[in-house]
Amino acid sequence: AQKITQTQPGMFVQEKEAVTLDCTYDTSDQSYGLFWYKQPSSGEMIFLIYQGSYDEQNATEGRYSLNFQKARKSANLVISASQLGDSAMYFCAMRGGGSSNTGKLIFGQGTTLQVKP
Amino acid sequence: KAGVTQTPRYLIKTRGQQVTLSCSPISGHRSVSWYQQTPGQGLQFLFEYFSETQRNKGNFPGRFSGRQFSNSRSEMNVSTLELGDSALYLCASSQQGYNSPLHFGNGTRLTVT
Repeated sequence: AQKITQTQPGMFVQEKEAVTLDCTYDTSDQSYGLFWYKQPSSGEMIFLIYQGSYDEQNATEGRYSLNFQKARKSANLVISASQLGDSAMYFCAMRGGGSSNTGKLIFGQGTTLQVKP
Repeated sequence: KAGVTQTPRYLIKTRGQQVTLSCSPISGHRSVSWYQQTPGQGLQFLFEYFSETQRNKGNFPGRFSGRQFSNSRSEMNVSTLELGDSALYLCASSQQGYNSPLHFGNGTRLTVT
C-alpha cells in the first residue's frame, strides 16, 4: 500500500529565511509522481511543484524546490526567502503507478507553516 | 482559463437528508476527482471520473456516489447523511498525463446537524 508521512505537524520560520518541510513516502511502484500543495485558511488547494520518480534533477518552481532522495524515499519541500503569505498548511501527495490513476492522490497529514515577521 | 468551480460553497443539512454537490472542471480537463477533507482523517480520495466513467473509487460506503456528464461537469451525491459526513469536499480536475497536477476548486463545506 502507498503511504505518505509528514512528521512535522507545525513549523515556524522567520520571514526571509528558508524552511524545509519533510515528506517520506512508501510505495512498491517503480513509476510514481510526487506533488506538493499549499492550502491557505480559505481552503483552496494550490499546486506548488511536481517530481517524477524517473526525474534525475530536483524540481524547482520559483521559490519552491523539491529535495528528492529516491533511495531514502523522501521528497522534502524547500521554500526559500519565506514570505508572510506562505503561512498555510502544506501537503505532500503521491500518485501511484498506472496511467489510469490520474485523479487519485494519496496525501500526507500536512504541515502547518507559520511565517513570523 | 477559468479554474475549477464548485457549488455551493456552504451547505447545512440534517441527518438523514441527501445532498448533491456540483463541480465544473477546467475547460479541456476530462478527469474529475472528489476528495473529502476532515480534521481527523485528512484528505481522502472518494472517486474519479473520466469520460463519464468511474475510473477509481476510494474506500467509502455506497451512500457516496457520483457521476460525470458529457461536458465533463461532475456531481457528487451523499444519501442518508450522517454527522460524520461533515467535511470539506474538494473537487479536482486534471489533464491526462502522468505528470499532470490536480487543480482543485475552493471546496464545498458541508455541515450535518
